[in-house]
Amino acid sequence: NSKVIQTPRYLVKGQGQKAKMRCIPEKGHPVVFWYQQNKNNEFKFLINFQNQEVLQQIDMTEKRFSAECPSNSPCSLEIQSSEAGDSALYLCASSLSGAGNTLYFGEGSRLIVV
Amino acid sequence: GDSVTQKQGQVTLSEDDFLFINCTYSTTTYPTLLWYVQYPGQGPQLLLKVTTANNKGISRGFEATYDKGTTSFHLQKASVQESDSAVYFCALVEDSNYQLIWGSGTKLIIKP
Repeated sequence: NSKVIQTPRYLVKGQGQKAKMRCIPEKGHPVVFWYQQNKNNEFKFLINFQNQEVLQQIDMTEKRFSAECPSNSPCSLEIQSSEAGDSALYLCASSLSGAGNTLYFGEGSRLIVV
Repeated sequence: GDSVTQKQGQVTLSEDDFLFINCTYSTTTYPTLLWYVQYPGQGPQLLLKVTTANNKGISRGFEATYDKGTTSFHLQKASVQESDSAVYFCALVEDSNYQLIWGSGTKLIIKP
């Protein structure tokens, strides 16, 4: 069973609507990643955090996507204005110290934009 | 830049067949190479990790050996079972240690 908890498992949004996903990383893991996995199983890195600080993020994240990992609260990823191309599985993963250590993934939040 | 190539999009086998999934990589540094497996409806989970220190990883009957000469990191299993049906990803840890370079995945289908 996954120790990284992602909610909701599924969300359906209309174009232009906000979509928000949450992630509770494994206890004691300071590093959190968000990935987008498309229908061809390809991974796209979105953003990562160490504790509450952003380490890296891609340009897409900077424009319509926002994410945070506040202290003592779930991490979240929000799409401000959903587009059809955002339909994908959004995966959260946590790690003790970066990608060289094991990434523990949640089961993902599947976003469908209609 | 660093890259990982998985050319097999799908492999179809029968139970007890031998599994071989090809993965090659390109990097200028000493690589840490990983195989992740993603079962239906789940997130990926680490299957194997290999570094230049150990050269080989073995887990749950799967084996992968790092070959610097051919820059390959193939995944093998002697006898697959239906429960092995999943998508298998090879990945390379980027030099910064904060990124994974993912292969495109190989879907393993086991015929009943």
